[in-house]
Amino acid sequence: GAVVSQHPSRVICKSGTSVKIECRSLDFQATTMFWYRQFPKQSLMLMATSNEGSKATYEQGVEKDKFLINHASLTLSTLTVTSAHPEDSSFYICSARARTAINYGYTFGSGTRLTVV
Amino acid sequence: AQSVTQLGSHVSVSEGALVLLRCNYSSSVPPYLFWYVQYPNQGLQLLLKYTSAATLVKGINGFEAEFKKSETSFHLTKPSAHMSDAAEYFCAVYTGTASKLTFGTGTRLQVTL
Repeated sequence: GAVVSQHPSRVICKSGTSVKIECRSLDFQATTMFWYRQFPKQSLMLMATSNEGSKATYEQGVEKDKFLINHASLTLSTLTVTSAHPEDSSFYICSARARTAINYGYTFGSGTRLTVV
Repeated sequence: AQSVTQLGSHVSVSEGALVLLRCNYSSSVPPYLFWYVQYPNQGLQLLLKYTSAATLVKGINGFEAEFKKSETSFHLTKPSAHMSDAAEYFCAVYTGTASKLTFGTGTRLQVTL
């Protein structure tokens, strides 16, 4: 089945630094990747949608300059949290959708727990 | 616009008892519907999906769900709960209009001895 690898699973960084999270589709080409943020005991909030080779589309209220998304290839998307602050601490999850789209569902990565100190 | 409502943020059942997690959707166009399970500090795993074929959908781990258009529901059931079923469950809806998944607020399932 489709597998999405997300790395790192856990990261702690200092305030003001930047952190990069990678999301890779291992056995399929992901034309579209999605980045979610999940607060404790809450649902997933879609942050942005990225299509390979084009700029990401951000949801309302998400700062594009703070959460940089790059989808340079059909198997890799990255989320960079720039100038991180403690309020950016959260669980970030990526998901990928193959070209054949919705009938095969979305495949999710295992998530990244970001802690900013 | 599309949305999903999950009734009950927390459900507790005894091991061996029926599991019923409720999900109602709102959509102006025919939807695709999904149930995902999330274990602590992990991503989401697809349990099952409805994509306009059979209205009764069977998924992994003995779960199934029935799409009822008249009730705009897609409730998740399992005849006999197991301790390993304890997790967070999310219902989600997708339409071509929105081109994205919209999640419900989740239901935490607790299974007791």
